[in-house]
Amino acid sequence: DAGITQSPRHKVTETGTPVTLRCHQTENHRYMYWYRQDPGHGLRLIHYSYGVKDTDKGEVSDGYSVSRSKTEDFLLTLESATSSQTSVYFCAISLTTGGDEQFFGPGTRLTVL
Amino acid sequence: QKEVEQDPGPLSVPEGAIVSLNCTYSNSAFQYFMWYRQYSRKGPELLMYTYSSGNKEDGRFTAQVDKSSKYISLFIRDSQPSDSATYLCAMRSGGSNYKLTFGKGTLLTVNP
Repeated sequence: DAGITQSPRHKVTETGTPVTLRCHQTENHRYMYWYRQDPGHGLRLIHYSYGVKDTDKGEVSDGYSVSRSKTEDFLLTLESATSSQTSVYFCAISLTTGGDEQFFGPGTRLTVL
Repeated sequence: QKEVEQDPGPLSVPEGAIVSLNCTYSNSAFQYFMWYRQYSRKGPELLMYTYSSGNKEDGRFTAQVDKSSKYISLFIRDSQPSDSATYLCAMRSGGSNYKLTFGKGTLLTVNP
C-alpha cells in the first residue's frame, strides 16, 4: 500500500458542514493526488500537489481546497459540503516525476445528507 | 467525445478463459499507458505500465498499445477467480504533466 493511510475511512455529515479528509504517507514522496470515484464517472482528479505548498487544480476542483504544509500530509477540505460531494475519495502518491505509477490509499467513503 | 472510452461491462467468463479488456482514446498526445486493477471497496493498484506501441508481458498479463489506432488492450491468460475486479485504463501525455486520465473501468467476473 506504499505506506498511504487515509482518515477517516467513513464519514457521514450534513449539507453545509465543513469536512477535512487527511492523506498521510510515510515514504517522503513528492507527488500526491486527490481523486473522487463515482459510478458512471470513474476516477476524477480533484487536486494534486508536486511539493510542500505547491498544489494545482484537477478537473473537478470546484468546492474543494487542499493544503500541504509538510511532505507527508495532504489535506482535502470541503468548505461547505453538498450532497453532490457524496463519493469515495482516494488519495494517491506517485513514485515518478511524470505521475504515471500512482499508488492509491484505501479510500474514504463520504456521505453528505 | 470522451478522451478515454472503456466498455463498463460487466464481463463474465469461466475460469481459464482468455480475457480481453480494451480502451480507445482520442487525444493523440497520450504517450504513457497504464492498467489498474481495483477490487471491491479497495483502492486501485497498478498492474501494467507501458509507453511504447507493441506488447508488454508480465506473467499472465499482456498489455498491448496501438498508437496509430489509439487503442490499448489488456489480455489475461488462464483467468482465475482472483482476477475478478474492475480494470481501469489510464493514460498521460508527455512533458511534465502529472495528470492521468482514467477510463471508467470494466467489471470482470471469473467464475470457478
